Amino acid sequence: NAGVMQNPRHLVRRRGQEARLRCSPMKGHSHVYWYRQLPEEGLKFMVYLQKENIIDESGMPKERFSAEFPKEGPSILRIQQVVRGDSAAYFCASSRPGQANTIYFGEGSWLTVV
Amino acid sequence: AQRVTQPEKLLSVFKGAPVELKCNYSYSGSPELFWYVQYSRQRLQLLLRHISRESIKGFTADLNKGETSFHLKKPFAQEEDSAMYYCALSGNTPLVFGKGTRLSVIA
Repeated sequence: NAGVMQNPRHLVRRRGQEARLRCSPMKGHSHVYWYRQLPEEGLKFMVYLQKENIIDESGMPKERFSAEFPKEGPSILRIQQVVRGDSAAYFCASSRPGQANTIYFGEGSWLTVV
Repeated sequence: AQRVTQPEKLLSVFKGAPVELKCNYSYSGSPELFWYVQYSRQRLQLLLRHISRESIKGFTADLNKGETSFHLKKPFAQEEDSAMYYCALSGNTPLVFGKGTRLSVIA
C-alpha cells in the first residue's frame, strides 16, 4: 500500500511564475490536508479537502493560493505569482473519512522561489 | 481556540542523558494529543498518541489535563533521536501543530 505521494519533491520557480504541487492520498483515503512549513517555523495548517469539496480553508492565504481535489486525480495546491516568501516545504497528508485525527504525511514538496 | 505551545525551539543533550520535550495545549473540550517526529528532510511520522499509552523507541508521554501538558520523555537519549519533534492536538479541527523542538543529541 503506497503511502501519500507528493510531486514534485523539489520545485524552483522565478518570482511571478506559478507553482503547482500534487498530492495523491493513500489508498482508501478520501480526505486530504495541506500544511506549510516555513524555514525555522512549525507546520501551519492550510486547507482540508475531500473529493470535489473544500471542508476547511481557514489557513489559506487570501490571495494567490488555491487548492482542489477533483473526483479523479490528485489534489493540487496552486500558488500563482509566487514571491520569495512562498519558499517553504509543503506537506500533504491524508486520512479516511471521519478519522481526521489519524493522518499520514507525504514526504513534502520543497518550493524555492528565486 | 486550539493552540499547542512548545516553548523550546532547540534542545541539546548529551548521549545517555534524560530528555524531556515540553508541550502545553489549550483546548476547551477533550483533546487527543500526538507527538510526531521528522528526521532530516523526511516526512513526519507519528511517534505517539496519548490514547494508546505506549512507548515507542523508548519515548513516553503522559497527558496531564490539570496542567494541560503532554511532555515527551526518554530516560537515555541516543544520537539517532536527533530530529525535529512536533506536538499536535486534534479537537474539532484538523490537527494543530506546535512550532516544534529540534532535539540535538551530542555524542
